[in-house]
Amino acid sequence: DQQVKQNSPSLSVQEGRISILNCDYTNSMFDYFLWYKKYPAEGPTFLISISSIKDKNEDGRFTVFLNKSAKHLSLHIVPSQPGDSAVYFCAASKAGTASKLTFGTGTRLQVTL
Amino acid sequence: DAGVIQSPRHEVTEMGQEVTLRCKPISGHNSLFWYRQTMMRGLELLIYFNNNVPIDDSGMPEDRFSAKMPNASFSTLKIQPSEPRDSAVYFCASSDSYNEQFFGPGTRLTVL
Repeated sequence: DQQVKQNSPSLSVQEGRISILNCDYTNSMFDYFLWYKKYPAEGPTFLISISSIKDKNEDGRFTVFLNKSAKHLSLHIVPSQPGDSAVYFCAASKAGTASKLTFGTGTRLQVTL
Repeated sequence: DAGVIQSPRHEVTEMGQEVTLRCKPISGHNSLFWYRQTMMRGLELLIYFNNNVPIDDSGMPEDRFSAKMPNASFSTLKIQPSEPRDSAVYFCASSDSYNEQFFGPGTRLTVL
C-alpha cells in the first residue's frame, strides 16, 4: 500500500527550462512534506520542505507547491541545470509521528544540454 | 562534521550467511533510521530509534532482520540468514529535529 506515490519514474528536461516533479499522497493525516535529491552512489540529501499550513515554499530555484484538497504536491525547478540530474524522492510525515517519513518511489530527472 | 557513516559500502555474500551492516550517526542526533531501497518499492523505513530505543520496527520484513543501538553513536542491522531477495541498498539516517533526516552513503548488499 503505497501512501506516497510518484507516478513518473523518469523525466527529461532541457537545460534552462522548468522541471516539474509530481507527488500524490493518500493519507490525509500527513501534515509535513519534503523533497530529497539523490545522486548515484550517495545517500539522499534534503532539498526543500513544506508544512500543511502553507501552499507554497520557495528556496532559490526550487519551489514546492501543496494542494491539500487534491492531496498533491509538486516540485518546480527553474531554470533546470545539468547538475540537477538526479533521483528526486517525495516524503511525508504525520502529525504526532514527526520523525517517521514515508517516501515515494522516486523520479529520475535528466537535464539535457 | 563527517556526516552519517556506514560500513561496509559494499557487501557480497552467499545465501544463508549472516550479514551485519553498521552505522554511526551524526554526533548529537537523537534519532536513527534504517531504510532499504529497491527499484520496486523505493525507500522503505525498516526501523527507527529515538534516544537509542526502538520506536517503530513495523517495517522490518521478517524475523531474519534485527537492529540494535547499544549507544548513541552506533547501530547495527543484522540479517540472519540472508536470502537473495534481501539484495538492496541499505541506508542509515539520523536526525536531531522533527523532520529533516541526514542520510549516510548506503551499503549495497548483494546476496548470491
